[in-house]
Amino acid sequence: EAEVAQSPRYKITEKSQAVAFWCDPISGHATLYWYRQILGQGPELLVQFQDESVVDDSQLPKDRFSAERLKGVDSTLKIQPAELGDSAMYLCASSLVSGGGTGELFFGEGSRLTVL
Amino acid sequence: KQEVTQIPAALSVPEGENLVLNCSFTDSAIYNLQWFRQDPGKGLTSLLLIQSSQREQTSGRLNASLDKSSGRSTLYIAASQPGDSATYLCAVEAAGNKLTFGGGTRVLVKP
Repeated sequence: EAEVAQSPRYKITEKSQAVAFWCDPISGHATLYWYRQILGQGPELLVQFQDESVVDDSQLPKDRFSAERLKGVDSTLKIQPAELGDSAMYLCASSLVSGGGTGELFFGEGSRLTVL
Repeated sequence: KQEVTQIPAALSVPEGENLVLNCSFTDSAIYNLQWFRQDPGKGLTSLLLIQSSQREQTSGRLNASLDKSSGRSTLYIAASQPGDSATYLCAVEAAGNKLTFGGGTRVLVKP
């Protein structure tokens, strides 16, 4: 069964360091999302891609966060410099449908970040 | 701005009892509503997706209803089992493929 792949599963870093997360969506899925989930809360959208284009990055802290999906397939989310408040689960999701409704959303296992 | 609320935040039931999970949203202009399950430290797994034109969806022991006009959805899990213990999240999708999640309900089914 096709899955959304994410790496690393766990990352521990010190504040002010750089960290990067990678996501490979299900083949053929045009829409890719990065979410941040703080423990005990629901996921919050950071950035949404349609193919290689950013559709929504209004909630992305652009002074320290960046995201790209250069060839419209896999994606990288980077944080530099990391802050203590960035400790969270970073979830990648993809969907087949584009425009007028997402359809079913498929999530990866997530990347757990701990900033010390 | 769409807001999604799930009450209660946590729920504990004995095995065999039916589960009723609630989700409310403030803006009824939605494309669909999805229910997800999340096990500790894991990603989310889609359980049911209800299109805005539908009233309910069923899958096995799961049944989800949608009342757009009142901004409510309910997830029913029949004859709960210890394996149903997890956090259940609802999410509504509005224009622009924007998905807004609730905070989730953490469920414990006791043997």
